[in-house]
Amino acid sequence: KQEVTQIPAALSVPEGENLVLNCSFTDSAIYNLQWFRQDPGKGLTSLLLIQSSQREQTSGRLNASLDKSSGRSTLYIAASQPGDSATYLCAATGFQKLVFGTGTRLLVSP
Amino acid sequence: GAGVSQTPSNKVTEKGKYVELRCDPISGHTALYWYRQSLGQGPEFLIYFQGTGAADDSGLPNDRFFAVRPEGSVSTLKIQRTERGDSAVYLCASSFGGAVNTGELFFGEGSRLTVL
Repeated sequence: KQEVTQIPAALSVPEGENLVLNCSFTDSAIYNLQWFRQDPGKGLTSLLLIQSSQREQTSGRLNASLDKSSGRSTLYIAASQPGDSATYLCAATGFQKLVFGTGTRLLVSP
Repeated sequence: GAGVSQTPSNKVTEKGKYVELRCDPISGHTALYWYRQSLGQGPEFLIYFQGTGAADDSGLPNDRFFAVRPEGSVSTLKIQRTERGDSAVYLCASSFGGAVNTGELFFGEGSRLTVL
């Protein structure tokens, strides 16, 4: 059974810092890995999807990497801004469904 | 519509009552998923539809929970004899293509269910 863990559970940084969020998964037989953002009381917004054959994906200030063999993914946020404050969730895609981690709550202070 | 639409956005009910939650996926998306999210937790899988059929319902917690998608578009999650432990946000997502491994998932805003 796939289990997904995210570290840290919460992170507070001053504006402008570069930061890394970590995601690990126990079953390396995944099809892809997705990173989502969730604002309080809202649904999930897809940020990046990395196919199993890929190593990384980039979108603006976000870069996500995937190492299937070690069961790890990282989300790198460059030059963080207060608007980046949210919960970030990673999800590993196995056959027919995503398995989510519990998320990292990020607070970026001005 | 432009995105996944879920109604109601909020539902407060009493223990023992019956509840229906509706999901209208993105037009053309054949795959539809229901997830449940408790406070401070990640979403947990409930059921996956491919077209009209439930391809995987292994996440439904018990037989009080049931979901349908009769025409391969709108889906309804039905909860009978609600219990306080059913309180959560119920999220719906859809994707294009035959299986989740080919496509990105798009989520609705969720239906927050509170059972008193």
